[in-house]
Amino acid sequence: GAGVSQSPRYKVAKRGQDVALRCDPISGHVSLFWYQQALGQGPEFLTYFQNEAQLDKSGLPSDRFFAERPEGSVSTLKIQRTQQEDSAVYLCASSLGQGQPQHFGDGTRLSIL
Amino acid sequence: AQRVTQPEKLLSVFKGAPVELKCNYSYSGSPELFWYVQYSRQRLQLLLRHISRESIKGFTADLNKGETSFHLKKPFAQEEDSAMYYCALSGNAGGTSYGKLTFGQGTILTVHP
Repeated sequence: GAGVSQSPRYKVAKRGQDVALRCDPISGHVSLFWYQQALGQGPEFLTYFQNEAQLDKSGLPSDRFFAERPEGSVSTLKIQRTQQEDSAVYLCASSLGQGQPQHFGDGTRLSIL
Repeated sequence: AQRVTQPEKLLSVFKGAPVELKCNYSYSGSPELFWYVQYSRQRLQLLLRHISRESIKGFTADLNKGETSFHLKKPFAQEEDSAMYYCALSGNAGGTSYGKLTFGQGTILTVHP
């Protein structure tokens, strides 16, 4: 594809349910980032992958958040036992590597009822 | 800790007027600064980065290390410049130079006809 693809675009879940958000980066991009954007705020870093290795997960807000990129391409962000404060737009970005510009997807808007 | 501050949430100007979007940062090392833009119903995209010293769509930004600022400027605003603008910083604290971004809260620019 031409850019970073994220699915679903919108997700509504009841509090306590588990959700999985998918990111398909630009082909050949080594670096992959997840960000969380709350309403009215700028994106905040969650986690970083270099190929399949998760090198930084310091931004994950709790152990309910888990991300993986098993084959160094598609990544999934999973949130277990969702809470209302998890409601946000989740953005994925990829880049060719260190120091290269990040390309963002459209994001997944998650609403927890 | 690294931080980016955009003091104006909203900025309105008339077409043809100069515009300046303010950005201040806090970082102990040598940061790389970016401006990202999000037009209505589009994804976040890179506008410019300080190391390239380019002018994109008539916008420029100069890194002022003394004032820790990276203000975005355009001498003559156009209606199509109306968008959300985010200032972002990438640092290499602790040896991590992979490009993790810290964003400001964003400024909504409205250019009136």
